[in-house]
Amino acid sequence: EAGVVQSPRYKIIEKKQPVAFWCNPISGHNTLYWYLQNLGQGPELLIRYENEEAVDDSQLPKDRFSAERLKGVDSTLKIQPAELGDSAVYLCASSGRGTNTGELFFGEGSRLTVL
Amino acid sequence: GEDVEQSLFLSVREGDSSVINCTYTDSSSTYLYWYKQEPGAGLQLLTYIFSNMDMKQDQRLTVLLNKKDKHLSLRIADTQTGDSAIYFCAETTRRNRLAFGKGNQVVVIP
Repeated sequence: EAGVVQSPRYKIIEKKQPVAFWCNPISGHNTLYWYLQNLGQGPELLIRYENEEAVDDSQLPKDRFSAERLKGVDSTLKIQPAELGDSAVYLCASSGRGTNTGELFFGEGSRLTVL
Repeated sequence: GEDVEQSLFLSVREGDSSVINCTYTDSSSTYLYWYKQEPGAGLQLLTYIFSNMDMKQDQRLTVLLNKKDKHLSLRIADTQTGDSAIYFCAETTRRNRLAFGKGNQVVVIP
């Protein structure tokens, strides 16, 4: 069974440029998460989807970040415009029905470097 | 609060036991978790413990929970080179989120 797939693995852009990350969760997982992981820190939740509905997006900086999960499967996280402080790893995770809140399956992450 | 605290670095010889500690603040957490992150990879759930338990053993892993002190530990027996990674403890919060600590890097010396 395929795990959570993220792309691109690495992205280097100049500040003020836009960037987008894509995530394909494990088949059948209705809950999808985007986390931000700064260097030397644990992941912090940006947004959580239940199917196509964003049920927890209070930590998403909405002035420059946006996310969508139109058909309740794949998701895209966008930053426009990117700032130097956005350099981090963006992790996508998914979980299935019937699991407890913390049983998440993570992708390998998308490492963003903003110059 | 949702702060989870961990110490930063542990060096251990292959074959010895490792103990990683964590303190958490949300006493309402139903479950507490240990995740492992190898270099360049995402996080992998190792084990978890239900909040009404004191101990859980899973092969080489032993989780101890002290609810009074809000202290969680992970003991890895017979540590192997493949155990070199960053270990995160995490708790579910009142807002139904998973809150992670800063992680503890374990380096296994052959």
